[in-house]
Amino acid sequence: EVQLVESGGGLVHPGGSLRLSCAASGFTVSSNFMSWVRQAPGKGLEWVAVIYSGGDTYYADSVKGRFTISRDNLKNTLFLQVNRLNPEDTAVYYCARSGQQCCDYHYWGQGTLVTVSS
Amino acid sequence: DIQMTQSPSTLSASVGDRVTITCRASQSINNWLAWYQQKPGKAPKLLIYKASSLESGVPSRFSGSGSGTEFTLTISSLQPDDFATFYCQQYNSYPVTFGQGTKLEIK
Repeated sequence: EVQLVESGGGLVHPGGSLRLSCAASGFTVSSNFMSWVRQAPGKGLEWVAVIYSGGDTYYADSVKGRFTISRDNLKNTLFLQVNRLNPEDTAVYYCARSGQQCCDYHYWGQGTLVTVSS
Repeated sequence: DIQMTQSPSTLSASVGDRVTITCRASQSINNWLAWYQQKPGKAPKLLIYKASSLESGVPSRFSGSGSGTEFTLTISSLQPDDFATFYCQQYNSYPVTFGQGTKLEIK
């Protein structure tokens, strides 16, 4: 059974950093298109980043240069390093796995909440 | 960036109704279109991918159609469990973009 479990969210001051994790089971992270999608409170869905099986990465303009998507193949875990956070980054962050074509999201985690506030 | 525009933003309907939600892309997305259902406090759930392919386990009352820039999600006979917010999403090119959402409410 495919499972995605995020962790690492919390309250952080503006300018701060966090490392979000997404532990996967039931499949191999490194063999799939893996993404982060976020949702600000009461708002819609916003795509954040993707990492390909080959290692290529793509980012939304709003996070480029501040966020880094990566993975640990041995731990079968996806990460999102989020730096220079601002209040507009406050959101639930979901990790998601695509099907054979990127980026239709067949599997989602439960999300982890990041709150940026002074 | 490709803009995705859903209509309506809110839809009131009754159990048993047939409902249609429309999604328009600002340029052709070659059928790389997905539909998701989201309930409060939960992660989105994939319903339709590649414009018209039904995700495994999703009831057949959900269907998707369209091509190019205009797409529709149809629920043939609303069930109590269907009331939620629905999002379309294009994955033809980066950045991946979502529609603003359609909230389906009980009339």
